[in-house]
Amino acid sequence: AQRVTQPEKLLSVFKGAPVELKCNYSYSGSPELFWYVQYSRQRLQLLLRHISRESIKGFTADLNKGETSFHLKKPFAQEEDSAMYYCALRAGTALIFGKGTTLSVSS
Amino acid sequence: GAGVSQSPSNKVTEKGKDVELRCDPISGHTALYWYRQSLGQGLEFLIYFQGNSAPDKSGLPSDRFSAERTGGSVSTLTIQRTQQEDSAVYLCASSSRTGTSNTGELFFGEGSRLTVL
Repeated sequence: AQRVTQPEKLLSVFKGAPVELKCNYSYSGSPELFWYVQYSRQRLQLLLRHISRESIKGFTADLNKGETSFHLKKPFAQEEDSAMYYCALRAGTALIFGKGTTLSVSS
Repeated sequence: GAGVSQSPSNKVTEKGKDVELRCDPISGHTALYWYRQSLGQGLEFLIYFQGNSAPDKSGLPSDRFSAERTGGSVSTLTIQRTQQEDSAVYLCASSSRTGTSNTGELFFGEGSRLTVL
């Protein structure tokens, strides 16, 4: 069965510290993975997708098929990174989301 | 409009009443999704439309939930005989489709917050 697991509900870090938001998936096919972000009082929006191999707002994520992971990383967190982050897996026509991790960056 | 529009933004209803939630996707987007966002449960997939047909209804939690889409545009999610556990934010998203593969990016509305008393 397809599943996305984000083990941390809340991750609190200080400004300037490295950040890693964990995501593991279960899918029998070839996975297509995404990170979505929801800032306070804003709509849920795409942050990045593994196909693009891009860095957005300093965030990167590498697909590790051996570990079935797609962790989101940023070397130096900023206060404006505070938000809810969702990992998502395309399974057929549906996009399956994890339960989300709230990232809190304090000064 | 410029983005996905949902109405009402807030709905308070009594247990047992029916509610209708509306989604107006981005013009030209053929794919439309409904999700439910509950505290502690993340985003729960409900149903997917491609044009007016719904090839994937696997996420609808019970037969009290139904959805339709007309004219390849506006969609309505209906919840009959609402229960307290239906209280959540209902999110709609739309996506364009290029060739035979979806671009993957979903554009979300602001959601309809449903409270069942």
